[in-house]
Amino acid sequence: DAKTTQPNSMESNEEEPVHLPCNHSTISGTDYIHWYRQLPSQGPEYVIHGLTSNVNNRMASLAIAEDRKSSTLILHRATLRDAAVYYCILRVSSGNTGKLIFGQGTTLQVKP
Amino acid sequence: NAGVTQTPKFRILKIGQSMTLQCAQDMNHNYMYWYRQDPGMGLKLIYYSVGAGITDKGEVPNGYNVSRSTTEDFPLRLELAAPSQTSVYFCASRLQGESYEQYFGPGTRLTVT
Repeated sequence: DAKTTQPNSMESNEEEPVHLPCNHSTISGTDYIHWYRQLPSQGPEYVIHGLTSNVNNRMASLAIAEDRKSSTLILHRATLRDAAVYYCILRVSSGNTGKLIFGQGTTLQVKP
Repeated sequence: NAGVTQTPKFRILKIGQSMTLQCAQDMNHNYMYWYRQDPGMGLKLIYYSVGAGITDKGEVPNGYNVSRSTTEDFPLRLELAAPSQTSVYFCASRLQGESYEQYFGPGTRLTVT
């Protein structure tokens, strides 16, 4: 399975934008890029996913590099509730099992 | 909808004991998954199921068993508990389709002493 690399931790100020980077240089042409986040003492929750084009939803935006070897999750205005571990995951499209292989993620701290 | 529910929330086992972690979903999802999360680490896939009667191993299946007799339920069985199985266990489910979004339960915190 292709791997992702993320910084261990990042800090942000409340109400400022946050850019969470992810490198996935071994991504194959059919791997989807998924982002999940895990709030303290909770199960992970889906944030966003994409294949080639940039994606927006109510939670965040996903910017995917043209060569697909990296991507960035963008939180437009961080709130204290966004403090969590953010996981960048490559989901292999073949086999249709939807298996997710989690890395260690980025711990985001949001300062008031 | 209750979503994905897991019981118990917490459990302490002695070495060699057995137990079943329960997972249920009321969203009529085909796919279900069991993960474990050790302190400070990401989740690792234990087993998964693509529908009733069909299960397969994930990354770390040793020491665990699963069954899927109904669409709603996906129990995880630990036969001979070992300290290495101390972890938080998460169950997840998803609907077949393009999104592949997985819905996670609140987790079961298991300690084996």
